[in-house]
Amino acid sequence: QVTLRESGPALVKPTQTLTLTCTFSGFSLSTNRMCVSWIRQPPGKALEWLALIDWDDDKYFSPFLRSRLTISKDTSKNQVVLIMTNMDPGDTATYYCARTEFIAARLVGWFDPWGQGTLVTVSS
Amino acid sequence: EVVLTQSPATLSVSPGKRATLSCWTSQSISSNLAWYQQKPGQAPRLLIYGASTRATGIPARFSGSGSGTEFTLTISSLQSEDLAVYYCQQYNNWPETFGQGTKVEIK
Repeated sequence: QVTLRESGPALVKPTQTLTLTCTFSGFSLSTNRMCVSWIRQPPGKALEWLALIDWDDDKYFSPFLRSRLTISKDTSKNQVVLIMTNMDPGDTATYYCARTEFIAARLVGWFDPWGQGTLVTVSS
Repeated sequence: EVVLTQSPATLSVSPGKRATLSCWTSQSISSNLAWYQQKPGQAPRLLIYGASTRATGIPARFSGSGSGTEFTLTISSLQSEDLAVYYCQQYNNWPETFGQGTKVEIK
């Protein structure tokens, strides 16, 4: 059974740096084509893809947030870490991690499954 | 980026009736589209990928169709547990993008 769980602070202040950890089980991020993505959802709003890291340690970012994001993996711990700098109240959202994989050359597929999500509020 | 437009924003359907949700994309994405169901307070769950393939464990009343720029999710006989927001997502182009969602209400 594949599961993912997000962890991190519930509250951060504006301008601070957010660090989130995704801990997963049931698959290995060293398996060919395997990837983990981060996706967020502001309260009452739609989903927004943020970043992805693949089995080969290649990284992909939303062009709108690229300058603020860092993603890394620890394969031995089955963890993926997302770092977002210069947090703003507009970054208040539930942050999800999800498994995905390459289904063809340079084509990453759907997200399945998702973690339960962690709500991050940005406020002074 | 590819923009996804979902219609309607809210759909009210009686139990046992058919619900039809639409998703349009700003450019052709072949069949590289997925649908997700998000129940209140829960994470999204994959329903459909490849525009028409049901994910594991998804009831047969959920079906997807379409290709190119026009896609449809159909719930053939709505159940009370289908109350949720449904999102489409394209994975043909970077960055992967989602529609704004259709909320399905039980009439």
